[in-house]
Amino acid sequence: EVQLVESGGGLVQPGGSLRLSCAASGFTFSDYYMDWVRQAPGKGLEWVGRGRDKPNGHTTEYAASVKGRFTISRDDSKNSLYLQMNSLKTEDTAVYYCARRGDRDSSGYYYDFDYWGRGTLVTVSS
Amino acid sequence: DIQMSQSPSSLSASVGDTVTITCRASQDINTYLAWFQQKPGKAPKSLIYAASRFYSGVPSKFSGSRSGTDFTLTITSLQPEDFATYYCLQYSAYPYTFGPGTNVDIK
Repeated sequence: EVQLVESGGGLVQPGGSLRLSCAASGFTFSDYYMDWVRQAPGKGLEWVGRGRDKPNGHTTEYAASVKGRFTISRDDSKNSLYLQMNSLKTEDTAVYYCARRGDRDSSGYYYDFDYWGRGTLVTVSS
Repeated sequence: DIQMSQSPSSLSASVGDTVTITCRASQDINTYLAWFQQKPGKAPKSLIYAASRFYSGVPSKFSGSRSGTDFTLTITSLQPEDFATYYCLQYSAYPYTFGPGTNVDIK
């Protein structure tokens, strides 16, 4: 069974840093692209960024709102995805979810965002 | 960036009703559109990918379609467990962007 479990959230002051983790199980983590998505309290979903697999150089993509402050990385040996968040702002307060880009179906379409974790809450406040 | 608009922002419906939610992309995204359901305090649940294809285990009461840059999610025979917020997502180009959501509540 595919499982994604986020951790590392908590209260941090503006300007501070935090590292979130997403522990994956039930699939060969190293073969998959992974995403971070966040949701501010009472607001909609916002895509944060993507980390590609090793054959694609572990390259990354980011939303403009976090580019230069957040870094996505992964440790395939630990089946884990990370989100390093620096220079945090109050507007970064949100529940952070990790999600998987799944396999291709029989027609070649990817099952993007097929599995989600339950999320971890990050609160940026003084 | 590709902008996603979604309508209506909220709707009230009764058990047994059929409802339709629309997302419009600001430019061509081909069929790179997904739909998600979210209940309060829960993670999103994936419903539809590639505009009209079902994720595993999603009942056929949910269906998606595309007409140019307009995408629709139709839910037939609404049941109490279907009352939730629904989001679309374009994954044609980075940065990926979600629609603002449609809240479906009980009339």
